[in-house]
Amino acid sequence: AQKVTQAQTEISVVEKEDVTLDCVYETRDTTYYLFWYKQPPSGELVFLIRRNSFDEQNEISGRYSWNFQKSTSSFNFTITASQVVDSAVYFCALSEAWEGGKLIFGQGTELSVKP
Amino acid sequence: DSGVTQTPKHLITATGQRVTLRCSPRSGDLSVYWYQQSLDQGLQFLIQYYNGEERAKGNILERFSAQQFPDLHSELNLSSLELGDSALYFCASSIRTGGIADTQYFGPGTRLTVL
Repeated sequence: AQKVTQAQTEISVVEKEDVTLDCVYETRDTTYYLFWYKQPPSGELVFLIRRNSFDEQNEISGRYSWNFQKSTSSFNFTITASQVVDSAVYFCALSEAWEGGKLIFGQGTELSVKP
Repeated sequence: DSGVTQTPKHLITATGQRVTLRCSPRSGDLSVYWYQQSLDQGLQFLIQYYNGEERAKGNILERFSAQQFPDLHSELNLSSLELGDSALYFCASSIRTGGIADTQYFGPGTRLTVL
């Protein structure tokens, strides 16, 4: 069955440190999409990135970067030079072709960035 | 601001009662999704509508129902409420048929507390 695992429940870093959030997924589909969402303390879910299963190029957006490796079924998220405003819960999610638009979420990683 | 609106923001009610949560999708989006976020279950997909028709169903209880109206807003009805229904309920919308290529944009959520 499809599954998304975020093994790190909580991570605490000091400002300016780099941090990587891990995401491992399981799917029997060859066509799928992976997502990262951010949930700040205010509670809303903010879309960060979408990546399809045919595009393994890494992506960088400012201090954020994503590393997608099909060989290890991983889609990891790195924040460079973390800031206090990065403190949030981060969710990795999977959408499979045969499941339509349904998003399967991991349990989330709570990131705390201390000044 | 994702452009998805949800009302009310907070709802406190008693066991056995019925409530209705409302969602307005982003302008131009035809698909609406409902998710439940609880401490024990995490983020779970409930149901999806596309242009007024039910498209996919997840772990939605029989006591819960939803619909999407001609103006594309959606309502999630929760009845015979139990303590365990206390959760944050999110609505999300996407532009197309709800296929896996769609990015879902989430509303701010409705926090339901059942006493």
